[in-house]
Amino acid sequence: LAKTTQPISMDSYEGQEVNITCSHNNIATNDYITWYQQFPSQGPRFIIQGYKTKVTNEVASLFIPADRKSSTLSLPRVSLSDTAVYYCLVGRLMDSSYKLIFGSGTRLLVRP
Amino acid sequence: ETGVTQSPTHLIKTRGQQVTLRCSSQSGHNTVSWYQQALGQGPQFIFQYYREEENGRGNFPPRFSGLQFPNYSSELNVNALELDDSALYLCASSLELAGHEQFFGPGTRLTVL
Repeated sequence: LAKTTQPISMDSYEGQEVNITCSHNNIATNDYITWYQQFPSQGPRFIIQGYKTKVTNEVASLFIPADRKSSTLSLPRVSLSDTAVYYCLVGRLMDSSYKLIFGSGTRLLVRP
Repeated sequence: ETGVTQSPTHLIKTRGQQVTLRCSSQSGHNTVSWYQQALGQGPQFIFQYYREEENGRGNFPPRFSGLQFPNYSSELNVNALELDDSALYLCASSLELAGHEQFFGPGTRLTVL
């Protein structure tokens, strides 16, 4: 599975848009990009998944350039409750031995 | 729809002891994965069970073992506990092997003294 690199931490203020970029230079053709969110003392929660271009759901957008060597998670108008660790993962869907490989994640702090 | 549940919430053991952690998967999910999360780090994959068979294992020694039952609930067993086994143990269930969207439980906090 491709290794990912993302910033260790980010600061933002309420109401701002936050963009977290993840680098995955060795992504393979069949790999998907997935983002999870984790609050303290809770299990991670799936946010969004994509393969190429742009994916949007009710909580976030995921931008993936044509070369797919990076991706950007965009959180619109963050609130204090968005303070969490965000993980970028790359892996193959429906791999018979599929497993999620988490890095250290990006700690997002949203200030009032 | 019931989410993923884990028991116990917290557990304290001493070195050399054995521990069993339990997980009930989300309704309809037949795949369960276990993760170990040390403080300040991302979760590390231990192993995955699909329809009662182990289906992939991470870099964990054999003293970490598991079971999945016909109702798809699961157990994680750790023998000969070491201090470094202190961590949050997370269970995640998913539908079939579409593992990207896994649903995590709240975890079991294990402390080894």
